[in-house]
Amino acid sequence: QQQVKQSPQSLIVQKGGISIINCAYENTAFDYFPWYQQFPGKGPALLIAIRPDVSEKKEGRFTISFNKSAKQFSLHIMDSQPGDSATYFCAARRGTDKLIFGTGTRLQVFP
Amino acid sequence: DVKVTQSSRYLVKRTGEKVFLECVQDMDHENMFWYRQDPGLGLRLIYFSYDVKMKEKGDIPEGYSVSREKKERFSLILESASTNQTSMYLCASRMTANYGYTFGSGTRLTVV
Repeated sequence: QQQVKQSPQSLIVQKGGISIINCAYENTAFDYFPWYQQFPGKGPALLIAIRPDVSEKKEGRFTISFNKSAKQFSLHIMDSQPGDSATYFCAARRGTDKLIFGTGTRLQVFP
Repeated sequence: DVKVTQSSRYLVKRTGEKVFLECVQDMDHENMFWYRQDPGLGLRLIYFSYDVKMKEKGDIPEGYSVSREKKERFSLILESASTNQTSMYLCASRMTANYGYTFGSGTRLTVV
């Protein structure tokens, strides 16, 4: 019940394409869903986050779509760029608890 | 600029050695965390601390201990390093529960 399942494990996208990473959870008490971006040699950094009272949140080319009934949320990267090549982690949290992370998706964007 | 600093980027230790990984944050954050990152397994929580001298076990505490004597410093200790502890170790902190995590750049530990 505490798991967050993330897919795919790796993703290759051409420049200008749309990258989509999916996550699913079981615990309906989760109330905060962030995405982290990690470049090689760096720690993860918060990219964008959503709470379950909204179905979508957009920041620039990055959008979180949230489906509460399906217990799924996804990250969409529009107009993907080589500079977006990184590992992406979804996560979830209940209240003041610690974050539960997904297993990560390695995104490669080719020119 | 706020920072979480991990003392070493790369470490090579021998099996059986006692290993100390240090993490310092300059943001006066209450909460600190130690994760290990392995391919295909994501970030797994080892230990965390909500305040000075407090510590709680995460999901994979076996073979590890921690120390938090000062608010800004959270140390991870491998009591007797083993080859299956070869991994990337990430430290993180947050102000309180309503804030996001700030991660350090990680320590890549190799146990030979």
